[in-house]
Amino acid sequence: EVQLLESGGGLVQPGGSLRLSCAASGFTFSRYAMSWVRQAPGQGLQWVSSITDSGGATFYADSAKGRFTLSRDNSKNTLYLQMNNLRAEDTAVYYCAKQPAASGTYDCWGQGTVVTVSS
Amino acid sequence: DIQMTQSPSSLSASVGDRVTIPCRASQRISTYLNWYQQKPGKAPKLLIYGASNLQSGVPSRFSGSGSGTDFTLTVSSLQPEDSATYYCQQSSTIPYTFGQGTKLEI
Repeated sequence: EVQLLESGGGLVQPGGSLRLSCAASGFTFSRYAMSWVRQAPGQGLQWVSSITDSGGATFYADSAKGRFTLSRDNSKNTLYLQMNNLRAEDTAVYYCAKQPAASGTYDCWGQGTVVTVSS
Repeated sequence: DIQMTQSPSSLSASVGDRVTIPCRASQRISTYLNWYQQKPGKAPKLLIYGASNLQSGVPSRFSGSGSGTDFTLTVSSLQPEDSATYYCQQSSTIPYTFGQGTKLEI
């Protein structure tokens, strides 16, 4: 069974940092691109960042560029999102999601981890 | 960026009804269109990919159609468990943008 388990969320002050992790199991992690998608309270879904299967290329939403860094460790089947200089508008549930083939479709999602940026 | 528009933002229907949920892209995206279902407090679930392909395990009462800029999700016979918010998403061009969602109440 494919499983994605996010962790690392929490309460952080504006300007602070957090590192989110997504532990994958049930599939060959190194063969799939992965993404983070977030959802602010009461709002819709927003793509944040994606990384290719090898980790050789990363892509970011404008809101994340220069502040967030996406990486992966295929030996540990884990995806990471380093978030720096956090703002109140980054408050959201952050989901990691698996992408089949070389597509922008998300066929499996984790349960999400909550990030709250507040003083 | 490609804008995805879903209207209405909510709709109400009854068990057994046939319901269609529209989605429009601000530019042509061929069939790079996906539909997700999200229930309160849960992660989204992929229903339809490539505009019309049913994801494995999804009931056959769900179907998708369209190409270019106009797309539709159809539920042929509503069940109580279909009460959820439905999002369309374009996977043609990064950033992969979502519609704002249509909340379906039964």
